[in-house]
Amino acid sequence: QVQLVESGGGLVKPGGSLRLSCAASGFTFSDYYMSWIRQAPGKGLEWVSYISSSGSTIYYADSVKGRFTISRDNAKNSLYLQMNSLRAEDTAVYYCARDLEPEAGLDYWGQGTLVTVSS
Amino acid sequence: QSALTQPASVSGSPGQSITISCTGTSSDVGGYNYVSWYQQHPGKAPKLMIYEVSNRPSGVPDRFSGSKSGNTASLTISGLQAEDEADYYCSSYTSSSTVVFGGGTKLTVL
Repeated sequence: QVQLVESGGGLVKPGGSLRLSCAASGFTFSDYYMSWIRQAPGKGLEWVSYISSSGSTIYYADSVKGRFTISRDNAKNSLYLQMNSLRAEDTAVYYCARDLEPEAGLDYWGQGTLVTVSS
Repeated sequence: QSALTQPASVSGSPGQSITISCTGTSSDVGGYNYVSWYQQHPGKAPKLMIYEVSNRPSGVPDRFSGSKSGNTASLTISGLQAEDEADYYCSSYTSSSTVVFGGGTKLTVL
C-alpha cells in the first residue's frame, strides 16, 4: 500500500534552517509528481511547492520562493524540502503528498511533521 | 496567489444535502478543470474526495459530488452522515502553474 512518511521537523530559531524528508513506498515513486503542503496551527492548508517526476519542473508559493528548495532522489524513493531563513510564520505541520496526475489532485498524504520556528 | 473563497461554516442534519462553494477567478477555478476537494478530520491528514472538478477517487462514497460553473466550484454531500463532520478544502491549479487552496469550510452535522 502507498505510504508517505515525513521526518526532519523540530524546533528551530528564526533565521535557521531545516531539511524535511519524505520516504515513499508502495508505488513507483519516479512516475509521480510530488508536493509539499503546510498547515499552520489552527489554520487552513497552504500549498508550498511541487516537483515533477524527473525533477526538471519545480514551482513554489510566493511565500517561500527563494528560501525553500524542493528536491527528490528517485533512487532512494525520497522527497526533500530544504528550508532556509526560517520565519515564525513558517511554523506549521508540513505534509508531503503524491499528485494523482499533474495538477489533478493529491491522492495520498503523509501524516505530517511539525516545524516550529521560535526563539 | 490569493486563497480561494469558501464559507467558513455550513451545517446540516443527517440525511440532508449540503453544498460548499469555492470561488476563484478566471486564472484558477474558471480557467481549468483542475479543482479538487479534500476532507480533513481533526488531527488527521487531508483526504482527497474529488479531483478534476467532478471525479471521485476509488473508495469515496457517491454521496460526494463536485461541479463547476464559471469561477465557482461546488462540493455537494447528499444523505449527510455524522462521519461527514470535518473541515473541507478546495484547491485549484492556477495560470502561474502553482496551486491555491481555499480557506476551508467547517461542516457540522446537527
